[in-house]
Amino acid sequence: EVQLVESGGGLVQPGGSLRLSCAASGFIFRSYWMHWVRQVPGKGLVWVSRINSDESSTSDADSVKGRFTISRDNAKNTLYLQMNSLRVEDTAVYYCARGGVTLDYWGQGTLVIVSS
Amino acid sequence: DVVMTQSPDSLAVSLGERATINCKSSQSVLSSSNNKNYLAWYQQRPGQPLKLLIYWASTRESGVPDRFSGSGSGTDFTLTISSLQAEDVAVYYCHQYYTTLSFGQGTKVEIK
Repeated sequence: EVQLVESGGGLVQPGGSLRLSCAASGFIFRSYWMHWVRQVPGKGLVWVSRINSDESSTSDADSVKGRFTISRDNAKNTLYLQMNSLRVEDTAVYYCARGGVTLDYWGQGTLVIVSS
Repeated sequence: DVVMTQSPDSLAVSLGERATINCKSSQSVLSSSNNKNYLAWYQQRPGQPLKLLIYWASTRESGVPDRFSGSGSGTDFTLTISSLQAEDVAVYYCHQYYTTLSFGQGTKVEIK
């Protein structure tokens, strides 16, 4: 069974940093592209970042470019999102998702609150 | 960027009746190279991970009940639930993966 479990969310002040993790199991992690998508509670979904299977290529949404860094450790079956220079508008639930044909499996999400 | 617009924002349907959700993209998501529409549908139930229902606009994901169907091409798409069940109460999102990934704003489906 495919499982994606995010962790690392919490309350952080504007300008602060946070690192999210996504532990993957039930599939060959190193074979798949992976993504982060966020959702302001009660609002829609916004794609954030993606990384290819061997970490040779990444892509980020303009809203997080230069502040967020996606990475992965295929030996640990874990996806990461390093978030720096956090802004109030980054407050959201962050989901990791597996990239099959498209985003075919999602985690439950981890809540990030940026507030002073 | 491709903007996805769903309608309606919410709908209430009686159990056993049909529910129809529309999705319009600001540009075509039909690829001329493979004649596929890069359009998917998701279900989000409270407290549950998003679930992929449909991809390539009309291909049902494995395990998804056949009361769920997708149709459309180019810029106009529809998700139909042929006979609404109680467990179908959720928010539904359309999603294009033709270019930079984007999603519709969601349609909330409730029981009338």
